[in-house]
Amino acid sequence: ILNVEQSPQSLHVQEGDSTNFTCSFPSSNFYALHWYRWETAKSPEALFVMTLNGDEKKKGRISATLNTKEGYSYLYIKGSQPEDSATYLCAHSGAGSYQLTFGKGTKLSVIP
Amino acid sequence: EAQVTQNPRYLITVTGKKLTVTCSQNMNHEYMSWYRQDPGLGLRQIYYSMNVEVTDKGDVPEGYKVSRKEKRNFPLILESPSPNQTSLYFCASSLFSGNQPQHFGDGTRLSIL
Repeated sequence: ILNVEQSPQSLHVQEGDSTNFTCSFPSSNFYALHWYRWETAKSPEALFVMTLNGDEKKKGRISATLNTKEGYSYLYIKGSQPEDSATYLCAHSGAGSYQLTFGKGTKLSVIP
Repeated sequence: EAQVTQNPRYLITVTGKKLTVTCSQNMNHEYMSWYRQDPGLGLRQIYYSMNVEVTDKGDVPEGYKVSRKEKRNFPLILESPSPNQTSLYFCASSLFSGNQPQHFGDGTRLSIL
């Protein structure tokens, strides 16, 4: 089992603050890194899939970067809103493997 | 509408009574997968399928079976359920494995008494 670690486990931010969290994954044998947003009582929704070192993806106020050489990805949320409250999951896929390994997630609460 | 459909959404049953959770996708995806979600453990992959008649074990396959006889369907079978299989289960599909986003079903909450 490949270890995918996310930090912090949870965080609370004020509305309007910008925030970021980290996903660490094995740097060897990399194929793809996924980010998902998971709201309570719903199912996870894909945000980004990144495959190349140095990749940056953006969707509205949310963006992500990827460093495959050192094995980490950052997710940034600019100007957090209460509707951004959710658990953010990352998942790693290795080259030659059909498995997808998820981290335990970062639970974000945005306080109005 | 593109979707992954799981049934049932909720089930309470007893130890040893065989059950099947169905999963169907209408997006012509090749890759399908089952996950379970437990507090503090995150999403863990049970089984996955790369295409029809091609399946493989994920990280936690013990006590589960799957089949992929048609591209759209990927049922999860619990031959003899036990209380430690009480969990929230998700089916997901993607066009291919690895570098394509997963589309998740709405989840099935199973309670094994």
